[in-house]
Amino acid sequence: EAGVVQSPRYKIIEKKQPVAFWCNPISGHNTLYWYRQNLGQGPELLIRYENEEAVDDSQLPKDRFSAERLKGVDSTLKIQPAELGDSAVYLCASRQQGYEQYFGPGTRLTVT
Amino acid sequence: AQSVTQPDIHITVSEGASLELRCNYSYGATPYLFWYVQSPGQGLQLLLKYFSGDTLVQGIKGFEAEFKRSQSSFNLRKPSVHWSDAAEYFCAVAGSSNTGKLIFGQGTTLQVKP
Repeated sequence: EAGVVQSPRYKIIEKKQPVAFWCNPISGHNTLYWYRQNLGQGPELLIRYENEEAVDDSQLPKDRFSAERLKGVDSTLKIQPAELGDSAVYLCASRQQGYEQYFGPGTRLTVT
Repeated sequence: AQSVTQPDIHITVSEGASLELRCNYSYGATPYLFWYVQSPGQGLQLLLKYFSGDTLVQGIKGFEAEFKRSQSSFNLRKPSVHWSDAAEYFCAVAGSSNTGKLIFGQGTTLQVKP
């Protein structure tokens, strides 16, 4: 069974540029999460999807961040424009039932 | 509000020595607790979880953890550390309801000396 797939793995951009991250969850997993992990910290939830519906986006900075999960499968997280403080690892996770989440390898974003 | 504290930011142990990583949580009801490991450049891998029942839980890679309600702790242990165990370890608690939302501690970096 394939795990959670994320791309790109690394991205370097200049501030004020846009950037997008893509996630393909484990097949059949209805719940999808995006987390942000700052250096030396644990991951923090940005947004949670149940199928195609964003049911918890309270931690998503909506002025510059957006996300979508069309057809309830793949998801894209976008930042526009990026700021220096957005440098972090962006993790995607998915789950089917219960509380066990499966994480992808993450996208390491560096904003210069 | 739920929170997780990992008091040790960095721990160094010798290969073959025993290991204990500390985790304290704050949660109003019965918590769902997890330990994850993250190797450099990798995502998080679940080591073990506690939902209910036996307070000593066994995980993968020879790890175990003990839930102590009276101390609000969920410490991770391994009797003999291998060099490949060097990584960052995160304790997490599940939030309320069935959202599965995880609250993570800040992590403990484990270094293994030969």
